[in-house]
Amino acid sequence: NAGVMQNPRHLVRRRGQEARLRCSPMKGHSHVYWYRQLPEEGLKFMVYLQKENIIDESGMPKERFSAEFPKEGPSILRIQQVVRGDSAAYFCASSPPYLETQYFGPGTRLLVL
Amino acid sequence: QKEVEQDPGPLSVPEGAIVSLNCTYSNSAFQYFMWYRQYSRKGPELLMYTYSSGNKEDGRFTAQVDKSSKYISLFIRDSQPSDSATYLCAMSATGANSKLTFGKGITLSVRP
Repeated sequence: NAGVMQNPRHLVRRRGQEARLRCSPMKGHSHVYWYRQLPEEGLKFMVYLQKENIIDESGMPKERFSAEFPKEGPSILRIQQVVRGDSAAYFCASSPPYLETQYFGPGTRLLVL
Repeated sequence: QKEVEQDPGPLSVPEGAIVSLNCTYSNSAFQYFMWYRQYSRKGPELLMYTYSSGNKEDGRFTAQVDKSSKYISLFIRDSQPSDSATYLCAMSATGANSKLTFGKGITLSVRP
């Protein structure tokens, strides 16, 4: 059973470009979470999605960031007009319905030049 | 005050030592408590999961939760060099399908 998959694993963008991060949850998992890990910081919650619905986006910056989890295909975290402060590791986690445990992917490391 | 505080570390111990890792929290609504292990440049891996107060043991690992003191611990017995990693505590209020709040993590090094 494949784990949570994220791609790309590394992404380099120049300031002002767009970054798209993809997450495929584990088989049978319909809930996806995105977290950001800044250097020397712990993991910070960004957004929680189910298929075609955003359930909790209380951790998402108000501007430039958006997330989706379509009926078909992976979940996408999109960052528009990236700035150097967006450089971080972005982790996706998934869980099945009605279970507390979240399983994390390997992360996408975004570097903004 | 941060919701979850974790000893900053780093922590270095000799092989075979007993390791104690701790977190405190301020939100009394937290009921679900987890410990994750994260190797360098990898994603967090779930180690232990506990609901409410009490102890849970799994091999060399024991998780303790004291809700009255808002304090959780992870003990590692007979530590091995392969235990060298960053350990993150995490917790949530409503359990299934809710966001996790993490501590900053502590980096453990077990010396052979």
